[in-house]
Amino acid sequence: GENVEQHPSTLSVQEGDSAVIKCTYSDSASNYFPWYKQELGKGPQLIIDIRSNVGEKKDQRIAVTLNKTAKHFSLHITETQPEDSAVYFCAASRGNNQGGKLIFGQGTELSVKP
Amino acid sequence: NAGVTQTPKFQVLKTGQSMTLQCAQDMNHNSMYWYRQDPGMGLRLIYYSASEGTTDKGEVPNGYNVSRLNKREFSLRLESAAPSQTSVYFCASTRRGLETQYFGPGTRLLVL
Repeated sequence: GENVEQHPSTLSVQEGDSAVIKCTYSDSASNYFPWYKQELGKGPQLIIDIRSNVGEKKDQRIAVTLNKTAKHFSLHITETQPEDSAVYFCAASRGNNQGGKLIFGQGTELSVKP
Repeated sequence: NAGVTQTPKFQVLKTGQSMTLQCAQDMNHNSMYWYRQDPGMGLRLIYYSASEGTTDKGEVPNGYNVSRLNKREFSLRLESAAPSQTSVYFCASTRRGLETQYFGPGTRLLVL
């Protein structure tokens, strides 16, 4: 079946450094790629998303890039802060807009050390 | 505006017991979803409802049933709980299709 692979599973950086999380998807019909942040004990919350008609999107310290040919997309966080520590999930839409269904990656636990 | 609410927050069941997880949203969203979250496996879709009156299976529907009671409410039922259903369950909603999904705070379920 279709899947999304996410790497790394854990990532530790020093405050102020950059963090990069990468995902690969298999469904060539996927056209929507959101990223969610989940803090301990809470539900996931959307932080940024990108659609297949653009290659890059930025929102302050967060950026996402998409390479549809290679079926890769990545999350970039610059100038990391301790409050960025959380679990991050990438996701890809299932083809043909099947009711807005998403396939999620396995998650990356990001730790930002002060 | 409470967003997406879920009840209960935590539940312990014995194998074979049944229960219903409740979810409600006050954002006038059309689509609603039930996920389960297990360590190292991300979020997996159990069932979804693209609009009021419709439901469909996701990736892992076995052992579950759902009811879209009205536009606001989408419940998940475990008829005969099994230890493999120990998980954290999240409900989510979106206005329509491929837009931001808003998640509830989750229900932590332990099946003994």
